[in-house]
Amino acid sequence: KAGVTQTPRYLIKTRGQQVTLSCSPISGHRSVSWYQQTPGQGLQFLFEYFSETQRNKGNFPGRFSGRQFSNSRSEMNVSTLELGDSALYLCASSLIRGRADTQYFGPGTRLTVL
Amino acid sequence: QKEVEQNSGPLSVPEGAIASLNCTYSDRGSQSFFWYRQYSGKSPELIMFIYSNGDKEDGRFTAQLNKASQYVSLLIRDSQPSDSATYLCAVNNMDSSYKLIFGSGTRLLVRP
Repeated sequence: KAGVTQTPRYLIKTRGQQVTLSCSPISGHRSVSWYQQTPGQGLQFLFEYFSETQRNKGNFPGRFSGRQFSNSRSEMNVSTLELGDSALYLCASSLIRGRADTQYFGPGTRLTVL
Repeated sequence: QKEVEQNSGPLSVPEGAIASLNCTYSDRGSQSFFWYRQYSGKSPELIMFIYSNGDKEDGRFTAQLNKASQYVSLLIRDSQPSDSATYLCAVNNMDSSYKLIFGSGTRLLVRP
């Protein structure tokens, strides 16, 4: 069974630009969560999608948004990029919503903002 | 005060020794506790989870939970150089069971 896939794996953008990251969950997984990992703040929850609806959101500004499609694939978007948005963005899919023991992380997208 | 605290390390142990990793959390409503291993440049991998007070063993790994002290630990027996990684503690609770709150991680080095 294929794991969680994320594209692109690496991305370089400049301040002020916007970026869209993609996540394809494990087949059969309908819950998708996004996390940001930085050396200073560690791993922080961004949001969770289930059945094409955002169900939970972390403490991030409105520049961070996302969506989920009917096939459970998810995208997240960051507008007006700032230097501090440089991070590893991780997507995780869960077989059972709310059960982190059924959750698997993708390889991540490394975003660098110059 | 951070919600989940871990010593950043590095914790250095010789091969074959027991590595003890610790984590404290501030929210008494926390219900579920997880340990992830993250190799440099890779994504986190779940290695243990525990829901009830006491010990839970899986192979060389033992998770220990003490809710009264708000403390969770991970013991790695017979440590191997391949265990060298950052270990992340994560918790969630009934109010926000869909989000994990992570500690900053402890870097473990196992010396051959």
